[in-house]
Amino acid sequence: AQSVTQLGSHVSVSEGALVLLRCNYSSSVPPYLFWYVQYPNQGLQLLLKYTSAATLVKGINGFEAEFKKSETSFHLTKPSAHMSDAAEYFCAVSDPGYSTLTFGKGTMLLVSP
Amino acid sequence: EAQVTQNPRYLITVTGKKLTVTCSQNMNHEYMSWYRQDPGLGLRQIYYSMNVEVTDKGDVPEGYKVSRKEKRNFPLILESPSPNQTSLYFCASSFLITGELFFGEGSRLTVL
Repeated sequence: AQSVTQLGSHVSVSEGALVLLRCNYSSSVPPYLFWYVQYPNQGLQLLLKYTSAATLVKGINGFEAEFKKSETSFHLTKPSAHMSDAAEYFCAVSDPGYSTLTFGKGTMLLVSP
Repeated sequence: EAQVTQNPRYLITVTGKKLTVTCSQNMNHEYMSWYRQDPGLGLRQIYYSMNVEVTDKGDVPEGYKVSRKEKRNFPLILESPSPNQTSLYFCASSFLITGELFFGEGSRLTVL
């Protein structure tokens, strides 16, 4: 069984500030981990994924995430927030066969001027 | 253009009236899946399919049916919709080797 916990249903930052969205996972097998973003009235799109290669993963739009096995975490960061980053972000965990992908409940990122 | 297409995008129906939400992808993906998104609950998997004629239950399959007769299509069937199936539904597909899901734009269903 696998599960994902995203800490904070809403995170507010100022434009230009550091973005940190937290994700912890539970998995009985080595996990594959993903971050997806959902803009208003759209489907989800992939930001980045970890598949047991480098522990620091770079994604689109300047986002990156670091896999920390000892902490069972996969937090998403961006050095400087932009207004266009305002969206809902979902962390997800999969078994290596990709047969099921379990999503967290999502974190809404709010960016103020 | 590579895409996952869902129809209808919006639907209001009444309890017990059978409906089908269609999903089609043009990327030759083996894997297809349906999710429902509800406020505060994130996305929950309803059913998935790893290839033609192969389907399996996700976390919340009750009240839903699916079929995978062709690789590109994966319709979601609500035989007797109930108000607790009011939700935003997403279809997604991927290659099994990458696991990167491509999502449709969603179908907002209201059951009165």
